[in-house]
Amino acid sequence: DIQMTQSPASLSASLGETVTIQCQASEDIYSGLAWYQQKPGKSPQLLIYGASSLQDGVPSRFSGSGSGTQYSLKISSMQTEDEGVYFCQQGLKYPLTFGSGTKLEIK
Amino acid sequence: QVQLKETGPGLVQPTQTLSITCTVSGFSLTSYYMQWVRQTPGKGLEWMGFIRSGGSTEYNSEFKSRLSISRDTSKNQVFLKMNSLKTEDTGVYYCARDPGLLSGYFDYWGQGVMVTVSS
Repeated sequence: DIQMTQSPASLSASLGETVTIQCQASEDIYSGLAWYQQKPGKSPQLLIYGASSLQDGVPSRFSGSGSGTQYSLKISSMQTEDEGVYFCQQGLKYPLTFGSGTKLEIK
Repeated sequence: QVQLKETGPGLVQPTQTLSITCTVSGFSLTSYYMQWVRQTPGKGLEWMGFIRSGGSTEYNSEFKSRLSISRDTSKNQVFLKMNSLKTEDTGVYYCARDPGLLSGYFDYWGQGVMVTVSS
């Protein structure tokens, strides 16, 4: 199975700050990567797919990049509503696997 | 609009069978793959299995021996059944839509159903 390692496990950011979350796959996943945001008591919501494609309705301050085994999610200007837990997920091979999550809080 | 909603028991006893129904609206089950994902304290988010638009299924080998996914297209429902439950199966169970033919990600999720396995 492909292992997904996320970092950091948690971080806090000020309003307006740029935030970057990293995800490393245990093998090349050829941009088959998605990012999700989860708020307390809610289901995950798709932000990014195909490593860099923005899901409809997601604010443009979210962006994804990367290739091979290294990927990142960037929030260009942290907003209050961006607090939550972020997960990466590889979609190249079954079983699909997720990172352990990054908890993002407002500083 | 696209909606998914899971319903199921909140509490299941160890060794018993879990049954969850996912009712969808706003799209056809014959056009999309439907996936099941769970979130447990011990293992986080885990992909469980899917049912293809044509009705065939695939399962995560972690659950293969005790998991079954089926559907009733006339009722717009997808079903998950998992037997021989253990306390570590406690968690939230989600159905989710795959937006393409095995795109590998999930564009819509249900609200989830919390399942506690305890005697």
